[in-house]
Amino acid sequence: DQQVKQNSPSLSVQEGRISILNCDYTNSMFDYFLWYKKYPAEGPTFLISISSIKDKNEDGRFTVFLNKSAKHLSLHIVPSQPGDSAVYFCAAGFNTGGFKTIFGAGTRLFVKA
Amino acid sequence: NAGVTQTPKFRILKIGQSMTLQCTQDMNHNYMYWYRQDPGMGLKLIYYSVGAGITDKGEVPNGYNVSRSTTEDFPLRLELAAPSQTSVYFCASRVPGGGAGEQYFGPGTRLTVT
Repeated sequence: DQQVKQNSPSLSVQEGRISILNCDYTNSMFDYFLWYKKYPAEGPTFLISISSIKDKNEDGRFTVFLNKSAKHLSLHIVPSQPGDSAVYFCAAGFNTGGFKTIFGAGTRLFVKA
Repeated sequence: NAGVTQTPKFRILKIGQSMTLQCTQDMNHNYMYWYRQDPGMGLKLIYYSVGAGITDKGEVPNGYNVSRSTTEDFPLRLELAAPSQTSVYFCASRVPGGGAGEQYFGPGTRLTVT
């Protein structure tokens, strides 16, 4: 049972344009959502998060939007830079039970110079 | 701070062999996690720990064991390696408390079982 789904395995964007990465979830009990970025041969690194009681969180070039009625969140990167090329994981977690986090399969972003 | 360190970086095992993947963090985090990532898949939680002496199963615990004798260390043991355990293994830790606390990941151990 995939509770967190990233349906686009890859995305290609021109440098300077907007990248939009999408994520859907099925469990309405998630307390928060996160995005992680992963470069090859490295562990994931935290990018941005949003509480389930919010609908938007912004940090520099990165903005996460949460639509609870649609059980959908998205990560916007503006403007996209070649260094943003990586795999992006959407994740969702609970505030109880060890703060377990469920990860999506990831979307590989290519930013072309 | 070194953050989360994992050893070894790579390992090839024969079917039936055993090994321990080491994980150490120097951030005094209570919570620690072991994940595996198969090709094209997300990270699956194997085991987690909320503090020294306390461990619990995640989504895919079969074939693995863990222990947590100190805050810093959280080793993962494979007793009888099987080809299905070929994967990249990540250890992570986070601060206690609620909210969207980020997890800090180690660089991973790439394990091949043949």
